[in-house]
Amino acid sequence: DAGVTQSPTHLIKTRGQQVTLRCSPKSGHDTVSWYQQALGQGPQFIFQYYEEEERQRGNFPDRFSGHQFPNYSSELNVNALLLGDSALYLCASSLRAINTGELFFGEGSRLTVL
Amino acid sequence: GNSVTQMEGPVTLSEEAFLTINCTYTATGYPSLFWYVQYPGEGLQLLLKATKADDKGSNKGFEATYRKETTSFHLEKGSVQVSDSAVYFCALIRAAGTASKLTFGTGTRLQVTL
Repeated sequence: DAGVTQSPTHLIKTRGQQVTLRCSPKSGHDTVSWYQQALGQGPQFIFQYYEEEERQRGNFPDRFSGHQFPNYSSELNVNALLLGDSALYLCASSLRAINTGELFFGEGSRLTVL
Repeated sequence: GNSVTQMEGPVTLSEEAFLTINCTYTATGYPSLFWYVQYPGEGLQLLLKATKADDKGSNKGFEATYRKETTSFHLEKGSVQVSDSAVYFCALIRAAGTASKLTFGTGTRLQVTL
């Protein structure tokens, strides 16, 4: 049973560029959440997708956008990258019908902006 | 808003020592509380959880009790092992309907030495 998988694992971009990160949820899960984890900090909620719609959003600018596909996989897009966007981006999946709050996390995509 | 405060690390202990990592929270209503662990090079994993006051979550020798009167959820283990070296995150979820997000603390790094 595959867990949450993310790609790429590492990437380097320059300021002003755009990046797309990808996530496949755990088998059987229908909800995907994205978190940003800056170095030495706890993960910060970016947004959550269910039924291909953004259901909840954290305090992140519109440069951060996402998408969920019919197979429940998801993408996180960040436009006009800033140095401060350098972080580990975590994808987490869950099953909406069982709202226990337990999330299953991928290993993350580490983004470095130069 | 919701927030979680953890004791700062790093915490360095010798093997078989007693561990306490303090966690306090601020939230309206009755949140569910979690401890997640991040081993080196891995994604976050749920360690234990408690969903109501006086509940005790336990797993792998770790325990934490949901104390509403002190708004705390301290993590304890009676005898740590080198393999427990990781970063530990306290978190809460305050479900808003069926769309819910985790609020994390900043994490506490634990290093256990022989």
